[in-house]
Amino acid sequence: GDSVTQTEGPVTLSEGTSLTVNCSYETKQYPTLFWYVQYPGEGPQLLFKVPKANEKGSSRGFEATYNKEATSFHLQKASVQESDSAVYYCALSDHNNNNRIFFGDGTQLVVKP
Amino acid sequence: GPKVLQIPSHQIIDMGQMVTLNCDPVSNHLYFYWYKQILGQQMEFLVNFYNGKVMEKSKLFKDQFSVERPDGSYFTLKIQPTALEDSAVYFCASSLGLGGREQYFGPGTRLTVL
Repeated sequence: GDSVTQTEGPVTLSEGTSLTVNCSYETKQYPTLFWYVQYPGEGPQLLFKVPKANEKGSSRGFEATYNKEATSFHLQKASVQESDSAVYYCALSDHNNNNRIFFGDGTQLVVKP
Repeated sequence: GPKVLQIPSHQIIDMGQMVTLNCDPVSNHLYFYWYKQILGQQMEFLVNFYNGKVMEKSKLFKDQFSVERPDGSYFTLKIQPTALEDSAVYFCASSLGLGGREQYFGPGTRLTVL
């Protein structure tokens, strides 16, 4: 079945340093890949999505490339801010599964000033 | 952006009682979803719903669970009777379509079954 595995948190960084959250996925279909972000007391909100292999998604300085060969979708940001502190979820949805989303476990990011 | 509302934010209930979780989806959305997240664990799909019918449900969607959206009002998840293992945060989501369309999530309802 479909599954997503990502970097185990928490990840603690100082403001201004770079971030990489690894994400790998398994599916027999042709998925759309997502990064969601969740702040305390809120539901997940879409950071960005990439529907096609070998394309890149980005938002708010975060980016990830849909690597079909490596089945990876790593999240990167060159310089994190304290306001980036949140839980980040890598996820996939394949078109044969009625849009159900398979989430990774989530990675808590803590950015210290 | 579009908002999904969930009522109540917290619910405490005795095991064996019935509970209804309410979701007010984005107004023009057609597809509705429930996800369950036990504390410290992965968020998992329960069910999706379109045009008055369940499209797909996971193995977590037990016989005690039901969903409906009568006359375009709240999209509800009912659990009857509740069990201890139903304690979790339940997230509602909605989307305009399928095929990788973005799902908008509510803030969740934290259900505690005693």
